[in-house]
Amino acid sequence: SQTIHQWPATLVQPVGSPLSLECTVEGTSNPNLYWYRQAAGRGLQLLFYSVGIGQISSEVPQNLSASRPQDRQFILSSKKLLLSDSGFYLCAWSNAEAGANVLTFGAGSRLTVL
Amino acid sequence: GENVEQHPSTLSVQEGDSAVIKCTYSDSASNYFPWYKQELGKRPQLIIDIRSNVGEKKDQRIAVTLNKTAKHFSLHITETQPEDSAVYFCAAYNFNKFYFGSGTKLNVKP
Repeated sequence: SQTIHQWPATLVQPVGSPLSLECTVEGTSNPNLYWYRQAAGRGLQLLFYSVGIGQISSEVPQNLSASRPQDRQFILSSKKLLLSDSGFYLCAWSNAEAGANVLTFGAGSRLTVL
Repeated sequence: GENVEQHPSTLSVQEGDSAVIKCTYSDSASNYFPWYKQELGKRPQLIIDIRSNVGEKKDQRIAVTLNKTAKHFSLHITETQPEDSAVYFCAAYNFNKFYFGSGTKLNVKP
C-alpha cells in the first residue's frame, strides 16, 4: 500500500532563517506531488505541484520554492522566512496515471516563524 | 484558474439533524469533486467524492450531489453525531490541480 511521510512535524524558526520541509511517498511510482499551506483557521492554498522529476509549477508568487530531486521526493524551501510564512504545510500525492484521482495528505508540518 | 466557493463558513446543528454544505466552481473543465474532513490539528481525510459523469453518490449517512450545468455540488450528512464535528472542505480537480473551498466548521451539539 502507499504511504506518505512528511517531516519535521513541528518547527519554530526565526525571521530570516532558511526552511526545508521534506516529503516522500512509498509504494507508488511517478506520483503527482503537491504542497499546500493552511493558515490558522483558514482554507487550503495550493503552493506548488509537480507531475515529474524536476517539473515544478507554482500557483502563487511567494517567498518559497519547491524541488523534486527524485521521483517520490518533494521538498519545500525558503532562503529567508517571513512572519507571514507561519502556517500548517501539507504535502499530498495523487496517482497521475489514473487521471483525476484521490488526493492523499501527509500528516503536515506546523511552522511558526517568530 | 479554478475558483471554488463554499458556504456556510460555520454550521451548528443538533445531534440527529441533517447538515448541508454547498460549493460552487467556475471552470467547466473540472471533472472530479472530493470532500475532506479535517479534525483539529490533523490532516484532511477524504470522506466521499464524485466524478463529473455522476449526479449523486451516497455512502451510509453521507451523500454528495453534483449539478454540472449550474456548477455546484453539495455534501449532505444525515443523522449527525457529535463525532461529525470538524471542518469540511470541498475541492474541484482539473489539469492535475486540486482547488479547495474555504471550509465549513460543523458543530454537532449533543
